[in-house]
Amino acid sequence: AQSVTQLGSHVSVSEGALVLLRCNYSSSVPPYLFWYVQYPNQGLQLLLKYTSAATLVKGINGFEAEFKKSETSFHLTKPSAHMSDAAEYFCAVSDKGQAGTALIFGKGTTLSVSS
Amino acid sequence: ETGVTQSPTHLIKTRGQQVTLRCSSQSGHNTVSWYQQALGQGPQFIFQYYREEENGRGNFPPRFSGLQFPNYSSELNVNALELDDSALYLCASSPPGSGNTEAFFGQGTRLTVV
Repeated sequence: AQSVTQLGSHVSVSEGALVLLRCNYSSSVPPYLFWYVQYPNQGLQLLLKYTSAATLVKGINGFEAEFKKSETSFHLTKPSAHMSDAAEYFCAVSDKGQAGTALIFGKGTTLSVSS
Repeated sequence: ETGVTQSPTHLIKTRGQQVTLRCSSQSGHNTVSWYQQALGQGPQFIFQYYREEENGRGNFPPRFSGLQFPNYSSELNVNALELDDSALYLCASSPPGSGNTEAFFGQGTRLTVV
């Protein structure tokens, strides 16, 4: 079964600093990988996705992620953090097994941005 | 274009009661998935509906059931509510042929069981 592990439940950065949120996946087949953001009391918004095309994926709001098969990783980065980036971030893998085409989510990483 | 809408936004129920949550999918989307997000956790897949039939199910008991209607809207029903059912329930819709590469989420329904 596929799974994702997000390393670090809480990441704190200063405004303007590099953002790095870590995600490792486990999958027996080539995965589809996603990063979602969730603001307080809201649903999930797709930041970016990897679907076996280019390994460096660019998303919205200046975020990008690189698929590294050798490291089974899909870390999310942003060169310069903004206060508005403070939110909960979820990495997910698409499971096309018996559970249908479900999304399997990590436990999330809370990003705090200080001025 | 209207996105995914869920109702109600908040709900308080008593243990043992039954609840129905509703989801209107985005225009043209024929697949609806439901997720449960407990406090401080990532969303967990409950089930998915495609063409009015259940298309896959996660590790949830039978008291969690659903429906999809001809207009692709969907309901999630939970019977015999337990305290642990308190969570944010998220609905996501996907366009034809996309699998989960295009899943659009609603704002969720916050269910509190007391």
